[in-house]
Amino acid sequence: GEDVEQSLFLSVREGDSSVINCTYTDSSSTYLYWYKQEPGAGLQLLTYIFSNMDMKQDQRLTVLLNKKDKHLSLRIADTQTGDSAIYFCAETRNTGFQKLVFGTGTRLLVSP
Amino acid sequence: DTGVSQDPRHKITKRGQNVTFRCDPISEHNRLYWYRQTLGQGPEFLTYFQNEAQLEKSRLLSDRFSAERPKGSFSTLEIQRTEQGDSAMYLCASSSQGEGTDTQYFGPGTRLTVL
Repeated sequence: GEDVEQSLFLSVREGDSSVINCTYTDSSSTYLYWYKQEPGAGLQLLTYIFSNMDMKQDQRLTVLLNKKDKHLSLRIADTQTGDSAIYFCAETRNTGFQKLVFGTGTRLLVSP
Repeated sequence: DTGVSQDPRHKITKRGQNVTFRCDPISEHNRLYWYRQTLGQGPEFLTYFQNEAQLEKSRLLSDRFSAERPKGSFSTLEIQRTEQGDSAMYLCASSSQGEGTDTQYFGPGTRLTVL
């Protein structure tokens, strides 16, 4: 299909790990991105992974990429209440420039 | 701070009025993008500029919408004869073609409410 898919909601307790999953569509995507959006705000770039990588770690964030299944995940270690937000994955459609195609977002709720 | 800025942050207008939004990209970013985000959805691409040239427009961008980037720096997005369906968050992003990843950095958005 044409849609980038994400589960809508995830609830975790503070200190636990969170795993947010994404299924993308374009096997030729060069980069895949994770953005964070807090209420009423714009999108904050969290991290990205190049398509020839399987994993990327950046402090508390770990991105896993399974190209065969077109599956991307974001793991947040030691989740904090400040991590509560909506998380978007985005694939790139290379049409002479990198057009971002976003999923519908996963709302992460972290409870104390 | 040298991030992407947008003005205004909020706009309430009556149906049929014209509105204009402004985006100032990160300095020296030659690529600029507009996206629209409706409630509960991810952002959707509207249009793309490389320097002052508008190189792609989504079919979402009806003829009531026009975007400009006259000097290759700031950009404006105008909506004429607004409709209630235009209510959304309008996001601007910029990137540098010279940077290997061409990563897009977003502004805070302009939330439009059409009554």
